[in-house]
This record gives sequence, structure tokens and C-alpha cells, in this order.
Amino acid sequence: AQSVTQPDIHITVSEGASLELRCNYSYGATPYLFWYVQSPGQGLQLLLKYFSGDTLVQGIKGFEAEFKRSQSSFNLRKPSVHWSDAAEYFCAVNSGGYQKVTFGTGTKLQVIP
Amino acid sequence: GAVVSQHPSWVICKSGTSVKIECRSLDFQATTMFWYRQFPKQSLMLMATSNEGSKATYEQGVEKDKFLINHASLTLSTLTVTSAHPEDSSFYICSAPGDTGELFFGEGSRLTVL
Repeated sequence: AQSVTQPDIHITVSEGASLELRCNYSYGATPYLFWYVQSPGQGLQLLLKYFSGDTLVQGIKGFEAEFKRSQSSFNLRKPSVHWSDAAEYFCAVNSGGYQKVTFGTGTKLQVIP
Repeated sequence: GAVVSQHPSWVICKSGTSVKIECRSLDFQATTMFWYRQFPKQSLMLMATSNEGSKATYEQGVEKDKFLINHASLTLSTLTVTSAHPEDSSFYICSAPGDTGELFFGEGSRLTVL
């Protein structure tokens, strides 16, 4: 069975600092990988996705993520965080079929001045 | 990207009453939609898969009679929480799949049962 681990429940960074959110997955083959962001009381917005090809994918709002097969990871990065980036971030895996989307437990990002 | 809209965004009801939440795909057709429940500070839990023109598929442990799902058209799925009780209070989110495997989510609906 597929699973997703986000080891950091809560991260605090200063505005302007770089950010990396960790995501590890467990699945036999290469899955489809996603990062979503959720603002308080809102639904989830897709930041970026990886299906195949270039392992470094660019997303919206200046985010990028790198797929590393050897580490079973799909970490999310941003070079300079803005206060508006404060939200909850979910990594998700789809091993095939829309039902089989598994979400990580989320990482809450706090941005301080 | 595709837009999915939920209504209402929040609802307060008395215990024992029923509440209907709508999920619409605004600019695309969705033969399948998904309903999730999200507890505070937790991830999303898939409740059921809504199928246009057929019965919904429920995940293990989800009460079919409590959470009625209807997918009446290619752009509308509804979740009805029947005889709601305080323990049904939660954040409910719907989603619909896009052409390339990603899910598009509604804004979510906060249900509070008094």
C-alpha cells in the first residue's frame, strides 16, 4: 500500500528566508506526486505535480519540488518565503486511479517578520 | 485550471436535522467526484466516491445512511448529512479529477451541529 510521510508537523521561517518541506513516499513504482496548499478554512490548491520526465518541477507562487527516486522523496522548496505563504501544505501520492490518492498529514508553515 | 465550487461554505444546524452540501464543477464535466472529511489539524480522509448516474462508493467505516451522496449531473454532486449530531461537525471538502490526474478541490464546507 502506498503511504506518504511529512515528517515536519510545524515549521517556522523568517520572511525572505528559504524553505524546504519534506515529503517521503512509499510505493513500488514511480507514482504521481503532488503538493497542495490549504489556507485556513479553505479547500486545497494545487501547487505543482510530477508525473514523469524532468525531476525538478516548477509550480505556482514560486514553488518548486524535486523528485528523487533513490530517496523516495519529493521535497518542496521556495528560495524566499513571503508572509502570504503561511498555510498548511500537503504532499500527495497517486499510484493509479483517482481514488488512490493518499495525502500526508500536512506541514503547517508559519512565517515571521 | 478547473474550478470546483462548494456551497455553503459554512452551516450551523440543530442536532437531528439534515444538511445538504453541494459540489459543482464550474467549467468542466466530472463523472466522478470525491468527498473528504477533515478533522482539525489533520489530513483529509476520503469518505466516498460520487459517480454520475450510479451509486456512490463509500470507504470502510463511513455510514452510507448517514452521509447520502447523489451525483445527479455531470457538474453536480451533493452530500447530505442526515440526522446530524455534534460528532458530525467537521470540515467537508469535495474534489474532482482533472484530465491529467490531479484533483481540483472545492473551498470546503464547515459544518457545526449544535
